[in-house]
Amino acid sequence: DQQVKQNSPSLSVQEGRISILNCDYTNSMFDYFLWYKKYPAEGPTFLISISSIKDKNEDGRFTVFLNKSAKHLSLHIVPSQPGDSAVYFCAARNSGSNYKLTFGKGTLLTVNP
Amino acid sequence: NAGVMQNPRHLVRRRGQEARLRCSPMKGHSHVYWYRQLPEEGLKFMVYLQKENIIDESGMPKERFSAEFPKEGPSILRIQQVVRGDSAAYFCASSPGTGENEQYFGPGTRLTVT
Repeated sequence: DQQVKQNSPSLSVQEGRISILNCDYTNSMFDYFLWYKKYPAEGPTFLISISSIKDKNEDGRFTVFLNKSAKHLSLHIVPSQPGDSAVYFCAARNSGSNYKLTFGKGTLLTVNP
Repeated sequence: NAGVMQNPRHLVRRRGQEARLRCSPMKGHSHVYWYRQLPEEGLKFMVYLQKENIIDESGMPKERFSAEFPKEGPSILRIQQVVRGDSAAYFCASSPGTGENEQYFGPGTRLTVT
């Protein structure tokens, strides 16, 4: 039972354009959401997060939007850079469940120069 | 401030052998999580430990797998009598304490069972 879904296995964008990565979840108990970036042969690196009491969080080129009614969140990267090429994982947690993270399968983002 | 350390980075075991994976959390972090990533999959939670205590092992297989986080030393994930299906990347993450929102991940141990 996939509680966090990233339906696009891959995404390709041109340098300078916007990258939009999507994530859907089914568990209404999730109250905190995170995006991690992962390069091959490395561990995931925390990127940005959002609490369920907010609908937007911005950090530099990265913005995460949360639509609770649709159980959907998205990560916007603008402008995209070749160094952003990596696998992006969406993760969610329920504060009442020991803070363990539930991950999606990831989206491979390729930013072309 | 050193990040989360995991060793070995790569581990090859024959079927039936034991695998021991080590994780040293970031300095000042007392909470450790283990996750497993199978090929083409996302990371899946296995176990959550604090010093000398297993808090949540709901994601860990009931047999052959065990974890500990002693008062001194790294956290250890132990897999006995490994099988080919145990081949995966095993990631450890740490956080400062309950309620901290971000978990910081180590580079992972890639276990290959031949």
